[in-house]
Amino acid sequence: QVLLQQSGPGLVKPSQTLALTCAISGDTVSSNGASWNWIRQSPSRGFEWLAKTYYRSKWYYEYADSVKGRTTINPDTSKNQFSLQVNSVSPEDAAVYYCVRLVGDGWLDHWGQGILVTVSS
Amino acid sequence: DIEMTQSPSSLSASVGDRVSMTCRASQSISTYLNWFQQKPGKAPKLLIFAASSLQSGVPSRFSGSGSGTDFTLTISSLQPEDFATYYCQQSVITPYTFGRGTNLEI
Repeated sequence: QVLLQQSGPGLVKPSQTLALTCAISGDTVSSNGASWNWIRQSPSRGFEWLAKTYYRSKWYYEYADSVKGRTTINPDTSKNQFSLQVNSVSPEDAAVYYCVRLVGDGWLDHWGQGILVTVSS
Repeated sequence: DIEMTQSPSSLSASVGDRVSMTCRASQSISTYLNWFQQKPGKAPKLLIFAASSLQSGVPSRFSGSGSGTDFTLTISSLQPEDFATYYCQQSVITPYTFGRGTNLEI
């Protein structure tokens, strides 16, 4: 059974860095059949896909244009987890953040529990 | 980006009813369309993938259809646990995009 367990702070100050981690059990971050994604949900923007990483003989990374340049997704094979870092956060980055496994032709089949991130001084 | 439009935004029904909701993509996505159920405070749950394939463990009263730009999720006989918000999502290309949801109310 695949489980994704998220961790990270729920409160971040404006202009600072948001850092979240997703620990994987029941699969491996370097699996050839999966990719590992971060998605956020807010009342104003709905669901927003942010980034994904996957291993196919080498590591690949993709980012949404809306966060590209200030966001990094990083796999950690030693701990079987992946992380998200968003720099220079603003109130618009406040949302529930989910880590999600994607398999097949784009099926988001396992989700972490979600972390509500508030951006406030 | 591909825009996903769901209708209606809310739907009132009763236990035992058959209900359908639709999702339209701004361009053809073949059958790269998935449906999720979300309850308050919980992560979404995958119900249907590839437009019409039932995810393991999901009751057979849920079904999906469509291809190209128009898709439908149908619940054949509503159960009390089915009252939730339903989202469609395209997976043909990143950025993966979602509809704004259909809130199914009693």
